[in-house]
This record gives sequence, C-alpha cells and structure tokens, in this order.
Amino acid sequence: AQSVTQLGSHVSVSEGALVLLRCNYSSSVPPYLFWYVQYPNQGLQLLLKYTSAATLVKGINGFEAEFKKSETSFHLTKPSAHMSDAAEYFCAVFRAGSYQLTFGKGTKLSVIP
Amino acid sequence: GAVVSQHPSRVICKSGTSVKIECRSLDFQATTMFWYRQFPKQSLMLMATSNEGSKATYEQGVEKDKFLINHASLTLSTLTVTSAHPEDSSFYICSARRGGYNEQFFGPGTRLTVL
Repeated sequence: AQSVTQLGSHVSVSEGALVLLRCNYSSSVPPYLFWYVQYPNQGLQLLLKYTSAATLVKGINGFEAEFKKSETSFHLTKPSAHMSDAAEYFCAVFRAGSYQLTFGKGTKLSVIP
Repeated sequence: GAVVSQHPSRVICKSGTSVKIECRSLDFQATTMFWYRQFPKQSLMLMATSNEGSKATYEQGVEKDKFLINHASLTLSTLTVTSAHPEDSSFYICSARRGGYNEQFFGPGTRLTVL
C-alpha cells in the first residue's frame, strides 16, 4: 500500500534560511506525490505535485521538491524562508489505482525573525 | 478555476442533533468528492469517497449511518453528521476531483463543535 512518512513534526528556521521538509514514500507502483500547505483553520493549498514527469518539481511561493527514486524521497525545499511560510505542511500520495490521498502526519514550520 | 466551497465554515450544535455540511465545486464538475476529518494537531483522515449518483464508499471504521453522504449532482456533496456527540467535534474538509485532472481541490473546511 502507498504511504508517506514525514520526518520531524516541527521544524524551526530563521527568516532567510533554507527550508527543508522531509518526506519519504513507500509505493509498489510509480507514485503520484503531493505537497500541501495548511494555514490555521483553513483548507489545503497545493504547493506542487510529482506525476512521473520531471523529477525536480517547482511549485508556488518559491518551493520545489525533488523526486529521488533511489532514496524513496520527495523532500520539499525553499532557499530562503519568509515569515509567511509559517504553516503546516503535508506530504501525500495517491493510493494505487485511485485518486484517494493518503497523508503524512504533517510538519509544522516555524519561521523565526 | 477549480474552486471548492464549504458551508458553513463554523457550526456549533447540541449533542443529539444533526448537522449538514455542504461542499460545492464552483467552477467545474466534480466527478468524485472526498470527505476528510482532521483532529487538532493531526493529519487529515479520509472518511469517504463519493461519486455523483452513487453510494459513498466509506473507509474502515467510519460509521456510514452516522456520517451520511449525498452526492446528488456534479457540483454538490453533503455530509450529515447524525445524532452528533462531543467526540464528533472536528474540522471537516471536503475535496473534489475534476475529470481529467490528477489532483484534488480542497475546500476551506468546516469547524464542528458539539456541546
């Protein structure tokens, strides 16, 4: 079964520093992978998605992620953190043969001024 | 495009009453809609998947008689929490899949508080 694991429930970075949020996947088939952001009391906004095209995926708000099959990883990065990036981030994967999503447990990103 | 709305955004009800939450795709036809619940500081858990005109498919452990889902049109799905209890208090989020697109579009969520 498809699943994702997010390493680190809470990550703190200084404003202007590199953001790295980790996600590893487990899948018996080529996965479709997603990163979402959630602000307090709001729904989810898609940051980016991997759909077996380019392994380096660029998303909104300066975020990008690289699909590494050898490491079964899909880590999210941003070169320079902004205060507005403080939020909860979820990695997710489509279940095989469906459009149902399985989410990781989430990583809360704090940005220190 | 691909906007999903939910109504209400916040609801407080008494224990034992029923609450209906609406999920609408505003500018597209949704072949499939999904309902999730999210407890504080936790991830989203899929409750059920519904296709227009069909019965919803519920995830294991979700009581279908308690969480009634109706997907009567390609733009509207409703979740009714029947005989609500305090433990049903949660953040309920819907999403919709647009035909031909390999992603889900999420609504803003509904905060349910059962007293």
